[in-house]
Order: sequence, then C-alpha cells, then structure tokens
Amino acid sequence: ILNVEQSPQSLHVQEGDSTNFTCSFPSSNFYALHWYRWETAKSPEALFVMTLNGDEKKKGRISATLNTKEGYSYLYIKGSQPEDSAIYLCASDMEYGNKLVFGAGTILRVKS
Amino acid sequence: GAVVSQHPSWVICKSGTSVKIECRSLDFQATTMFWYRQFPKQSLMLMATSNEGSKATYEQGVEKDKFLINHASLTLSTLTVTSAHPEDSSFYICSARDLARAYNQPQHFGDGTRLSIL
Repeated sequence: ILNVEQSPQSLHVQEGDSTNFTCSFPSSNFYALHWYRWETAKSPEALFVMTLNGDEKKKGRISATLNTKEGYSYLYIKGSQPEDSAIYLCASDMEYGNKLVFGAGTILRVKS
Repeated sequence: GAVVSQHPSWVICKSGTSVKIECRSLDFQATTMFWYRQFPKQSLMLMATSNEGSKATYEQGVEKDKFLINHASLTLSTLTVTSAHPEDSSFYICSARDLARAYNQPQHFGDGTRLSIL
C-alpha cells in the first residue's frame, strides 16, 4: 500500500447503531497514526494519535485500534448519536511528526 | 488550549490577484506549521512545511514561486497565492505543531480558507 486509504467512503446509520471504519496505511516509514473528526464549518479535531502495534485508545464512545505490521487501524463508534455526524480522517505520520499523509476520509451521517 | 486561527475563511477575487492567508497559533508556540490543499472529494494534500525563521519546504509538484510562505514568528505563518488563476481555486488549511510537545502529538488545525478565483 503506497497511499493512506479509508473505507467506506460514506456511511449512513441510525441513532444508537454502532459502527466502524478502516484506515489502511503503508507499514514502512511509519511513526504514528492520527485520527481526526471534522465537523462542518469547524476545524479538524484530533481524536487519537497511536504509535505502537496493538495500541488501543478510547475517548467516550469512540475507540481505535492499531496494527502496524499489517498497516491498518479501525475506528469504532458505539451507540452513534446525530452529533457524531462528521468526516473522520486518518493520517499516517511518515516523517517523525513532520509529514502527515491523509486518507480521503469517511463521511458519517447519523439519523435520529 | 492549542487553538489555531486562520483568516480569511472565504475569498472571492479576480484572476491575477494575489491573496494572502494567515495562520496563527493563539495559545502556543509553533516552530512548524503546515499548509494543505484539498480538492473536492479528495484528501488533504500537504503543500509545504513552514519553519520559523527559515525557508519553507515544498512538496513535489508545488510551485514555490506561486505559493509564497513566510513564517516570521513562532505564532504566525502566511501563505500568499501570487497572481491567482481559476485553477488555484481550492480549500486551503493550515495546521501547527506545539513546540513544547513530542512528535507523536496531534497537529492543530485552522478552520480553512475557501479560495474562489473568477
């Protein structure tokens, strides 16, 4: 994998559903994996930065896992709420904090 | 904490105009700021890395004479799109790293600037 890829491109779920999306990244030249949430008319907000294989991080109903050997990270949202609607971006740090390569994002829409 | 302010948020101007976009870290010092560009339905693409007191590092394919970057202080970086043309219309967004924190910390983003060249 040469690029950072995210799937699915978009997702529509009902309030209360749990959901997850995937970020695939090159396993070489890896320093850290970032997840951001980008709501409309706001700036991207940092969710997690993970560095070690097997890392798991949690923030409220959102959690993420990291597999650096196979080059993927999962983001999970438990019990989705309408306010979770946003674009979720992942980015691989390819240069010790000086170069983030972003995926195209997953658009999440949560219907009440 | 870690607020980044970007201005203006929206610019519409005539072809040939030069446009300056400012990126300020409000409550932390940023030796390094990053400028990204986003085309519709595509990912954020790094254009250049702006280092305080030195020349910016441009990514391959980004014209340094077209996109002038100045990082004169630890809290301000500017991107000037010189003699802008319709193909420069895009969404530009900056981010900054906190000087005092380790490399594996998130970048802090501005709100972005929507540039439309007529």
